Amino acid sequence: SQELEQSPQSLIVQEGKNLTINCTSSKTLYGLYWYKQKYGEGLIFLMMLQKGGEEKSHEKITAKLDEKKQQSSLHITASQPSHAGIYLCGAVDFGNEKLTFGTGTRLTIIP
Amino acid sequence: GAVVSQHPSRVICKSGTSVKIECRSLDFQATTMFWYRQFPKQSLMLMATSNEGSKATYEQGVEKDKFLINHASLTLSTLTVTSAHPEDSSFYICSASTGGTLAYNEQFFGPGTRLTVL
Repeated sequence: SQELEQSPQSLIVQEGKNLTINCTSSKTLYGLYWYKQKYGEGLIFLMMLQKGGEEKSHEKITAKLDEKKQQSSLHITASQPSHAGIYLCGAVDFGNEKLTFGTGTRLTIIP
Repeated sequence: GAVVSQHPSRVICKSGTSVKIECRSLDFQATTMFWYRQFPKQSLMLMATSNEGSKATYEQGVEKDKFLINHASLTLSTLTVTSAHPEDSSFYICSASTGGTLAYNEQFFGPGTRLTVL
């Protein structure tokens, strides 16, 4: 089965600073999703990456998938309090609808 | 579009009772629905996959007699936790997808249900 390791597990960043969260897979990724979750709430879809070398941006968040399609990074520029939460990467196997989630990264933004 | 609701959002029950959680796709037909469980400070763990009109497929280690899943229509799936015990206390999240012939179809997540068993 697919395993996804996220790093760091938790991150405390001063408001305005940049940060990066990584997601590493034990297998080649056919689809990599990034979600954000506030504690006790559902998941908010951020981005999906499928092609090796693909990069997508939305507002101040940029996600990349490496050429080998085994690692993805999520970069936040000029962090804000609204960015605080748990970030989860999720991956699917080809032909299988099951979504396997990473271990999660808890992001705290301090003033 | 693509809104998924869950009901109730929170439930507290006594040990030994059964609790039903509903998951509805509000503006699309969901051929496949997924149920996840999340423990505090942990990631989501897939419990089971359900397809409309057929039996759910449970992940290894998940007791199908304890966690009854019914996907009776294209917009509704229910998870019933039978004879609940304190260790069943958790955050349960459902998701729904449209299915199809693509290798993967995006899942849309519900807001979750927090179950506390006393």
